[in-house]
Amino acid sequence: NAGVMQNPRHLVRRRGQEARLRCSPMKGHSHVYWYRQLPEEGLKFMVYLQKENIIDESGMPKERFSAEFPKEGPSILRIQQVVRGDSAAYFCASSPGLAGEGGDIQYFGAGTRLSVL
Amino acid sequence: RKEVEQDPGPFNVPEGATVAFNCTYSNSASQSFFWYRQDCRKEPKLLMSVYSSGNEDGRFTAQLNRASQYISLLIRDSKLSDSATYLCVVKSAGGSYIPTFGRGTSLIVHP
Repeated sequence: NAGVMQNPRHLVRRRGQEARLRCSPMKGHSHVYWYRQLPEEGLKFMVYLQKENIIDESGMPKERFSAEFPKEGPSILRIQQVVRGDSAAYFCASSPGLAGEGGDIQYFGAGTRLSVL
Repeated sequence: RKEVEQDPGPFNVPEGATVAFNCTYSNSASQSFFWYRQDCRKEPKLLMSVYSSGNEDGRFTAQLNRASQYISLLIRDSKLSDSATYLCVVKSAGGSYIPTFGRGTSLIVHP
């Protein structure tokens, strides 16, 4: 049973380009979360999605950032017109989203490290 | 008061020592609690979940004190490989499934 898969592991973009980060949840998991982590900082929640629905995007910047989790395929975090301040590690986590103990445990992917030149 | 607070450390301890971290939370409706460890530049990995008063797994013990709104993590017989950042995670019942992460406590175990 493969874990949470994120790709690419490393992504280099120039200012103004677009960055697309992909996340495939664990098999059987229908809940996906995206987090951003700056060097020496904690994890910052960005967005929570279920299949075809954005449940909570309170942590997403209002501009340039968007996320989706289509019926088929991975979840995508898209950053348009990247700036140097977007350089960070972006982690995706998935959970089964079930009631009861263990149903809300999050499992993390290895992350995508975005560097904006 | 922050939702989830942790002492950032670092806690610097010799091998074999016992070390304990505390994590306080502000939302009394919180119901699920987790400890994750994160190694430098790696993803967080689940160490332990706490749904009732506590949990024990080998050298690791987590305890929940609802009255004082904190959870603790005790590590006995520390190993060099225990060096990492330990993240406290708290989730409230019902509603949104958004967990709240603490900033983490850094542990350095030295020979």
